[in-house]
Amino acid sequence: QPVLTQPTSLSASPGASATLTCALRTGINVGRYSIFWYQQKPESPPRFLLRYYSDSSKHQGSGVPSRFSGSKDASSNAGILVISGLQSEDEADYYCMIWHSNTVVFGGGTKLTVL
Amino acid sequence: EVQLLESGGGLVQPGGSLRLSCAASGFTFSNYAMSWVRQVPGRGLEWVSGISGGAEVTDYPDSVRGRFIISRDNSRNTLYLQMNSLRGEDTAVYYCVKDQSAGNSGWFQSWGQGTLVTVSS
Repeated sequence: QPVLTQPTSLSASPGASATLTCALRTGINVGRYSIFWYQQKPESPPRFLLRYYSDSSKHQGSGVPSRFSGSKDASSNAGILVISGLQSEDEADYYCMIWHSNTVVFGGGTKLTVL
Repeated sequence: EVQLLESGGGLVQPGGSLRLSCAASGFTFSNYAMSWVRQVPGRGLEWVSGISGGAEVTDYPDSVRGRFIISRDNSRNTLYLQMNSLRGEDTAVYYCVKDQSAGNSGWFQSWGQGTLVTVSS
């Protein structure tokens, strides 16, 4: 079982909200980790979106709109990225990441389609 | 403005070696950890090494440990990745990445444009 599991793809309509999930492997408690989210558009390097540990410990990337927000769901042991007011420019690949056992671990990525 | 410029990519035969460089500017280089992250075209991201700001700590995933060596020259504001015993599965775009702190944390605020490494006979 991978350390981080993301849905391969997600579709949503312009103006709607998209909820991207990042499930941590059983035994790795989401409450103990900062979850990092990165956005990547075709032919471009990834871009840091945000870090989320808790509501009192979070950080938005430079220039990242507030409609991108992070959270956690302890019941599903997952990190969550919510994008509200979807725009066509939000169509991209989204990767979650944690620092685990002195290594960086990325999720497999979710391709978000806005249509 | 942070700038990270990778170089050194290219075509190399299986079993060969290659050294990547990353010239950094726009920040105090020695104050920040740096990493290399790679991406097979059309696939996901994989972290391949990290080094603390003072070069005291280096970290690697199992997939490259013993074959890749990360280093830095803080006097030249340059990050390196020495890649040995290269395999076809090492073919990827390699990104130079700036961490947010002096220690390796995975908080990658700035990314270079990447350099392509192709391992093929």
